Amino acid sequence: GAVVSQHPSWVICKSGTSVKIECRSLDFQATTMFWYRQFPKQSLMLMATSNEGSKATYEQGVEKDKFLINHASLTLSTLTVTSAHPEDSSFYICSARVIRLAGGGGNIQYFGAGTRLSVL
Amino acid sequence: KNQVEQSPQSLIILEGKNCTLQCNYTVSPFSNLRWYKQDTGRGPVSLTIMTFSENTKSNGRYTATLDADTKQSSLHITASQLSDSASYICVVSAEGNTPLVFGKGTRLSVIA
Repeated sequence: GAVVSQHPSWVICKSGTSVKIECRSLDFQATTMFWYRQFPKQSLMLMATSNEGSKATYEQGVEKDKFLINHASLTLSTLTVTSAHPEDSSFYICSARVIRLAGGGGNIQYFGAGTRLSVL
Repeated sequence: KNQVEQSPQSLIILEGKNCTLQCNYTVSPFSNLRWYKQDTGRGPVSLTIMTFSENTKSNGRYTATLDADTKQSSLHITASQLSDSASYICVVSAEGNTPLVFGKGTRLSVIA
């Protein structure tokens, strides 16, 4: 299947600094990418939907100025956690969508391996 | 409201035993249903995907079933191994440009 690469896998930073997480679709073009956040023993929570060349759509309760999303190309989306604080510590997962035009099955999403952010 | 409910919430089984995880959904219009395995601290990895016309699909020791009429799916794991210990998440996709609907997952622990 398609591969989504997420980097870094783990980052530790001081409170007040900004952290950038990259998400790349390695062998396909993704017009839409998604960013999720996951707390321990919880399911994935959608933060925002990112469409190439346009502004991201944020879910209710997610601060767009806090979590900056850039989707400048069909294979790369970035999430920047600005002025990170300890409460931002979480597991962040990106996903890229492939639109299947033939053969049915609708749209397929492939997930990155996730980034564990620890803010001290 | 589109929802996905999974049961049980957690499960402990002995190595070598079989188990079945359940998923009920109310997502409409239905497009496809996927089972993912998520190891602790890792991203979800797809196990199976089924459209409304498919009622069973296997991937090694994993077999998923789908009943589109009752909107139920199950994931059967045969001859469990210690490495099967993970969270298993049922995810349903609706037609169109809509977000995936995630279940809360079943946390499986396989013990020796």
